[in-house]
Amino acid sequence: AQKVTQAQTEISVVEKEDVTLDCVYETRDTTYYLFWYKQPPSGELVFLIRRNSFDEQNEISGRYSWNFQKSTSSFNFTITASQVVDSAVYFCALSEADFKTIFGAGTRLFVKA
Amino acid sequence: DGGITQSPKYLFRKEGQNVTLSCEQNLNHDAMYWYRQDPGQGLRLIYYSQIVNDFQKGDIAEGYSVSREKKESFPLTVTSAQKNPTAFYLCASSHRTSGLNEQFFGPGTRLTVL
Repeated sequence: AQKVTQAQTEISVVEKEDVTLDCVYETRDTTYYLFWYKQPPSGELVFLIRRNSFDEQNEISGRYSWNFQKSTSSFNFTITASQVVDSAVYFCALSEADFKTIFGAGTRLFVKA
Repeated sequence: DGGITQSPKYLFRKEGQNVTLSCEQNLNHDAMYWYRQDPGQGLRLIYYSQIVNDFQKGDIAEGYSVSREKKESFPLTVTSAQKNPTAFYLCASSHRTSGLNEQFFGPGTRLTVL
């Protein structure tokens, strides 16, 4: 069965600190997709990144980076030099080839000035 | 501007009343979804639709109903049969219902039952 675990419920950091959000997933499929979404206080989820199961290359986009490791079933998200605007709830999600997307419970990130 | 609109932003309902949440998209997406979000929990799928005039139940469809008469619209009705309807409801769409496609979300409707 599909499952996404985000063990960190809340994280609080001071601006300019680096922070890593953990995501561990379970799936029996060999073809699957992993996502990260950001939910700012306004409520609307915003897509950040997608990774397919055949591409373990890490990705960097500005201050954001993602580490995908199939050996540990993890897809962790790191924010470098965090800013107050990064404060939000971040969701990791898993989707298999048949479409259904499962979301983790989310990690609430507080970045203090 | 392309996107998804949901209305109203806040909705109050008395127990025993049905209420309909609106969701409209102008992204020309085939697939649309309704999710429910409760505090400290992830999103749970209520219903989804892959094409006009067709929709399927998600994980928590009991007490909800939907329609998909137009490609751009996917309203959700919360019926009196839904035992605990107070929650944040999010509508989303994607190009197709493939696991590959990311979803685009609306701003949500916060429903409170009085």
